[in-house]
Amino acid sequence: EAGVAQSPRYKIIEKRQSVAFWCNPISGHATLYWYQQILGQGPKLLIQFQNNGVVDDSQLPKDRFSAERLKGVDSTLKIQPAKLEDSAVYLCASSLDTGVGETQYFGPGTRLLVL
Amino acid sequence: GENVEQHPSTLSVQEGDSAVIKCTYSDSASNYFPWYKQELGKGPQLIIDIRSNVGEKKDQRIAVTLNKTAKHFSLHITETQPEDSAVYFCAAMGSWGKLQFGAGTQVVVTP
Repeated sequence: EAGVAQSPRYKIIEKRQSVAFWCNPISGHATLYWYQQILGQGPKLLIQFQNNGVVDDSQLPKDRFSAERLKGVDSTLKIQPAKLEDSAVYLCASSLDTGVGETQYFGPGTRLLVL
Repeated sequence: GENVEQHPSTLSVQEGDSAVIKCTYSDSASNYFPWYKQELGKGPQLIIDIRSNVGEKKDQRIAVTLNKTAKHFSLHITETQPEDSAVYFCAAMGSWGKLQFGAGTQVVVTP
């Protein structure tokens, strides 16, 4: 079974530029998550989708971050404009469904460096 | 919201020895506690999990214990091997279905 796919793997941009990340979850997984992992810290949830609807985006900085999951499969996360503090690894994860005990499977992440 | 604290931040062990990582959580409603292993350049990978109706769970060299009264849970790795070297994260999930991660433990196993 193929895992969670993410691209690009690395991205270097200057502050105030925009950037987009793509995620393809495990086939059949209804729930998709985007996490931000700053160096030396654990992942922090940015947004959670159930199919193509948003379940939780309380930690998403909506003035600069946006995400969508059209058709309930692939998802994109965008940052515009980027700030220095956005330098982090952006992890996508998916699970079969939403609920306590649902195993979340992570992709390899996109490493973003904002200069 | 939930707050998860993890200790130690780094752990060096000799190959063959045991490693123990401890986590505490704040929300008594949390009832699912997974442990993830993250190798350099990769995403976190689930290695073991435990639910609140179980006090201990074991899978080969890895075991997890949960004390709901004290609100802490621990990961035990026995007979450590060099391939166990990685960053380990504990996490807690409450009824809202949101995972809160600890800050991670860098485990180094020296031959």
